[in-house]
Amino acid sequence: DADVTQTPRNRITKTGKRIMLECSQTKGHDRMYWYRQDPGLGLRLIYYSFDVKDINKGEISDGYSVSRQAQAKFSLSLESAIPNQTALYFCATSDSGRETQYFGPGTRLLVL
Amino acid sequence: QQQVKQSPQSLIVQKGGISIINCAYENTAFDYFPWYQQFPGKGPALLIAIRPDVSEKKEGRFTISFNKSAKQFSLHIMDSQPGDSATYFCAALASGTYKYIFGTGTRLKVLA
Repeated sequence: DADVTQTPRNRITKTGKRIMLECSQTKGHDRMYWYRQDPGLGLRLIYYSFDVKDINKGEISDGYSVSRQAQAKFSLSLESAIPNQTALYFCATSDSGRETQYFGPGTRLLVL
Repeated sequence: QQQVKQSPQSLIVQKGGISIINCAYENTAFDYFPWYQQFPGKGPALLIAIRPDVSEKKEGRFTISFNKSAKQFSLHIMDSQPGDSATYFCAALASGTYKYIFGTGTRLKVLA
């Protein structure tokens, strides 16, 4: 969905490096989410934010942090990347009170 | 109790055949059950969803069957087409949480 953009689309980094993945949306939604996708494990929630001042941990938040810079921007950081953080990362948005989530195109991250 | 178990992991169907993907859950607080479709290089997108007050929902060639007593739901794709080849995720949501629990995904390949 072009209304949810993620940068970069692909990233290779080394163990121990700090990296940031960015998500922007033009849908006007107040809720934003970060997921990681691994083969055979599906999509797992890392962090979510219901508005700019509301940040919540998901099921796998260890090793990650987030920043909600504005309603439209939600960034995911890996403070010190490790190889098992190699995965496909998705940002998603939803409107307040609505269940449907709209996903970005994903960022493929490789940690060497 | 939070898991959603999805099967099969992969599925190959002939063009024109019926594709069936199954999911099971334990948490009786779940009250919204969507299916998301993901094409390679893209983020998941909502395909169809059901609430537990109905046993079946149909949209075109896609049908969700829901069995509340068995805590199971399934996606049926009638007259499967090569363009349906994608990964399908079931999910479940508890009212008021707006946090999905996703299944592990099913990679469907429809042979021409």
